[in-house]
Order: sequence, then structure tokens, then C-alpha cells
Amino acid sequence: QQQVKQSPQSLIVQKGGISIINCAYENTAFDYFPWYQQFPGKGPALLIAIRPDVSEKKEGRFTISFNKSAKQFSLHIMDSQPGDSATYFCAASMNTGFQKLVFGTGTRLLVSP
Amino acid sequence: NAGVTQTPKFRVLKTGQSMTLLCAQDMNHEYMYWYRQDPGMGLRLIHYSVGEGTTAKGEVPDGYNVSRLKKQNFLLGLESAAPSQTSVYFCASSYSTGRRGQPQHFGDGTRLSIL
Repeated sequence: QQQVKQSPQSLIVQKGGISIINCAYENTAFDYFPWYQQFPGKGPALLIAIRPDVSEKKEGRFTISFNKSAKQFSLHIMDSQPGDSATYFCAASMNTGFQKLVFGTGTRLLVSP
Repeated sequence: NAGVTQTPKFRVLKTGQSMTLLCAQDMNHEYMYWYRQDPGMGLRLIHYSVGEGTTAKGEVPDGYNVSRLKKQNFLLGLESAAPSQTSVYFCASSYSTGRRGQPQHFGDGTRLSIL
């Protein structure tokens, strides 16, 4: 049972453009929403995360937008660079003793030069 | 600073063979996890451990066993490998939820093929 739906599966963006990846969740008990970045041959690494008490969080060129009422959150990559080409996973978890992450299916981003 | 180290990096097995994947972390993390990553499926939790000597089932535990005899090590075993277990396996570790939102630190994976 997939609890976090991620789209699109793949995305091609020109250098300097904006990359947008969307995720939707079902469980209203989720209270932590991280994004992980994965390069080929490597493990995922935490990129940025948000909690539902804020609607937006920005770290450099990366921004998470969060819509609690719609149960949706998205990752925006401004001024996308070829070095951003990677697979991005959204995730969600509840803080009920053990923080089990439920991952989306991933988006493969290619930033063309 | 090695972080999370997984061995081996690649392995090919025949159906019915057994093997153990080793994960070691040097960050003194309390929690450790084993995931499998399959195309179009994201990462799915196999087993996890909240401390030395304790383990628990995740989302897809069937066909796997784990042990955590030392805080820094988390072993994943396949007793009788099946082709459906062909996957990339990732180990991760993190601090406990006493510090909310702690990131999970991943190793670089073990690519396992079952023929």
C-alpha cells in the first residue's frame, strides 16, 4: 500500500530552469516530510525537510512548498544545474516512537546543459 | 569519517544459496535500517533495529533475517535466495527520535542478483 505518491517519474529541464517534483500523501498523522537526493551508484542523502507547521522552507536553490489541506508537498529547484541531475525521493513519517520513513517512488531529473 | 559502509558492493547468487550482507556505521547511531530499492518502487523497509540486540520487521520482511549483536553493525541474511530478491540493498542509520527529524545516513548499497 503506497502512502506517498510522487510525480513525475522523470523530468528533463534545461540548465537555469525550474525543476518541480510533486508528492501527495494520505495519512494525516505524518508530521515530517524530507526529500532525499540520490546520485547513480550512491545511497540517498537528505536534501531538505519540512514540518507541517510551516508552508515553505528554502535552502539555497532548493525550496519545499507544503499544502496541509491538500495533503501535498513539492520540491522546487531554482536555476537548475547539470550537477542537480539525480533521482529525488520524497518521504513522510510520523513521530510515534520510531520514525519509519515511507518513500515515494522517485523522480529521475536530468538537467541538460 | 567512513559513515555507513556496506559489504559486499556486488554479488551474484544462485537460487537457494544463502548469504549475509554486512552494514557498519561509525556515527554511534542508535537506529539502523535495511531497505531494498527496486525500479519504480522507491525504497522499502525490510527490517530495522532501535538498539543493540533488538530488531523488528518493516514493510517487506519475508525471506530475510537480521541481527544486531553490536551497536555499530547490522547484518541482513538471506537464508534461501530467490530471484524475487534481486535488488539493490541499502543500509541506513540515524539517531533515535529523541532528536526529531534526524536524517537517515545511507551506505552506497549492495547490488544483488539471484539467478
